[in-house]
Amino acid sequence: DSGVTQTPKHLITATGQRVTLRCSPRSGDLSVYWYQQSLDQGLQFLIQYYNGEERAKGNILERFSAQQFPDLHSELNLSSLELGDSALYFCASSLRGETNTEAFFGQGTRLTVV
Amino acid sequence: GESVGLHLPTLSVQEGDNSIINCAYSNSASDYFIWYKQESGKGPQFIIDIRSNMDKRQGQRVTVLLNKTVKHLSLQIAATQPGDSAVYFCAEIESGSARQLTFGSGTQLTVLP
Repeated sequence: DSGVTQTPKHLITATGQRVTLRCSPRSGDLSVYWYQQSLDQGLQFLIQYYNGEERAKGNILERFSAQQFPDLHSELNLSSLELGDSALYFCASSLRGETNTEAFFGQGTRLTVV
Repeated sequence: GESVGLHLPTLSVQEGDNSIINCAYSNSASDYFIWYKQESGKGPQFIIDIRSNMDKRQGQRVTVLLNKTVKHLSLQIAATQPGDSAVYFCAEIESGSARQLTFGSGTQLTVLP
């Protein structure tokens, strides 16, 4: 168990809908990262938050947004969902803001858009 | 279980043999490298890391070798066990302020009894 908790584990929704994925980082970790793992793209970095502030952005679509709350949990919001958004979404956390410290991954949320 | 489903390179080894998983990276500005293991249904799990000022680092049953000249990274697993069956990813971090992980495509390791 990495100590990173993601909910829900599975999510099935229709095209055009909006979903929210939740991540609780390891106790004491200030940084949260979101990754997308799809069939044809592998693991892609989406966005990072550090202590409530956005730190870095990767290949995140404008339809997607995230935030980190004062208690350090994070949510990834995916809107106007398309079939191609079906993927595993992982959250990772680390103590500091740089991933050259060991980042711990959650078990992921499997999103299926139908 | 969860499967990435990518067309991954595969490696099959007999239990007890040594495994070598290779990774080529393209960014010569990368200065930090990590190997992750992803078992079915789980998130990536840190195995071992190496900085660009090193060419070898050893852990428990694992060794990472870095050849910066040809931009090549390898993970050696000694005495491979059934529990080592997983997808293995190398990841790199480019020096600079962003310092985000860029993952390779992964290798599926299958340990045969």
